[in-house]
Amino acid sequence: EIVLTQSPGTLSLSPGERATLSCRASQSVDSSYLAWYQQKPGQAPRLLIYGASSRATGIPDRFSGSGSGTDFTLTISRLEPEDFAVYYCQQYGSSPDLTFGGGTKVEIK
Amino acid sequence: QVQLQESGPGLVKPSETLSLTCTVSGGSISSYYWSWIRQPPGKGLEWIGYIYYRGSTNYNPSLKTRVTISVDTSKNQFSLKLSSVTAADTAVYYCARMVYAMDYYYGMDVWGQGTTVTVSS
Repeated sequence: EIVLTQSPGTLSLSPGERATLSCRASQSVDSSYLAWYQQKPGQAPRLLIYGASSRATGIPDRFSGSGSGTDFTLTISRLEPEDFAVYYCQQYGSSPDLTFGGGTKVEIK
Repeated sequence: QVQLQESGPGLVKPSETLSLTCTVSGGSISSYYWSWIRQPPGKGLEWIGYIYYRGSTNYNPSLKTRVTISVDTSKNQFSLKLSSVTAADTAVYYCARMVYAMDYYYGMDVWGQGTTVTVSS
């Protein structure tokens, strides 16, 4: 069973700063099957990145994804006020077929 | 623009069956995978299972014995049944569209707003 571990649990930053979020898999994940989501309080998650590095429709270019194998990263180059939220990585295709990481909360410092 | 809407009882008694429906509007249910995800209060996301529009399913092994997902293409709907519920099944339940084609996963690109289900007597 593939487990996705996200770190840190909470990231305290100021607007304008760079955010680097980590997602580590317990086994190798095909980068074609790695996605990132943003969730704000009281809202459904929103797809940010698929295929480890491709931005979904309408996602600003300050969001970028990278990585391969067991280590993946979501980077927000300059935090905007609306970017403070919880971020989840997700893998598809390995047993169990679909799993989410535990999430990283990006909060205002 | 495709939209999803969950519907169903907000309160279910312990040991009973939770039943939810997701209605797809603004587009066809065909050619996609459709998923259910839940989120217990204050916790992260848990995948429950998904169904292809033609009816094939895949479930989270931890819930497999209690979950049934079905699709009704004539109504553009898919449904979730979770049996023998306990308080641990209390959560916000989301439906979502999964895009998977030619060995590439494009993510869950459309989500419903979520519906809160509480298990309590």
